[in-house]
Amino acid sequence: QSVLTQPPSVSGAPGQRVTISCTGSSSNIGAGYDVHWYQQLPGTAPKLLIYGNSNRPSGVPDRFSGSKSGTSASLVITGLQAEDEADYYCQSYDSSLSGSVFGTGTKVTVL
Amino acid sequence: QVQLVQSGAEVKKPGASVKVSCKASGYTFTSYGISWVRQAPGQGLEWMGWISAYNGNTNYAQKLQGRVTMTTDTSTSTAYMELRSLRSDDTAMYYCARDLLGDVYSSSSYFDYWGQGTLVTVSS
Repeated sequence: QSVLTQPPSVSGAPGQRVTISCTGSSSNIGAGYDVHWYQQLPGTAPKLLIYGNSNRPSGVPDRFSGSKSGTSASLVITGLQAEDEADYYCQSYDSSLSGSVFGTGTKVTVL
Repeated sequence: QVQLVQSGAEVKKPGASVKVSCKASGYTFTSYGISWVRQAPGQGLEWMGWISAYNGNTNYAQKLQGRVTMTTDTSTSTAYMELRSLRSDDTAMYYCARDLLGDVYSSSSYFDYWGQGTLVTVSS
């Protein structure tokens, strides 16, 4: 059972904007720890999408953006494309567990 | 280019042990750590632990303490993850990932390159 909660699914038409939330607590996101995001395409390994709350690795399109506030973080995809259909996971550090934790995961469907 | 290549699929009986390898290339192995992450069929990601490729320091997930051991061989740039006393709920895809934390575990951990995964099936 993950300590970071995400909506199970979100969907949008091509070109639309979707937002994925990642809700934590005072022992992880609320304690100021960074949030990172990963994209997992079907049948493949996860790929780093956002690090340090809002930074994109080279090669990640700028339609992916991240932010953090309080005990939550968000990943926004603007200009949704068919190839964005995947599972998305947030990740942070939890002081109670003394280790990394992942969110429950969100499946993005492009209508 | 950075690559992490893992060993092949394994089938084990309950109570047995499994050891998965992860061979790194394309970067200075000892400048980073390696984290292990697993994913049960149809489920989410679970962090298992971290090892420093520089000094062998480890930090294991509390849930797996006592059953998991992570090691590295710097001569071959290979990381290993051994899981003992296997149960059916250990059936999962196991991933190694390069961790930005090199020598001391901290809250800044994240994973920028991943291996292709190793499927471990535990069945009688």
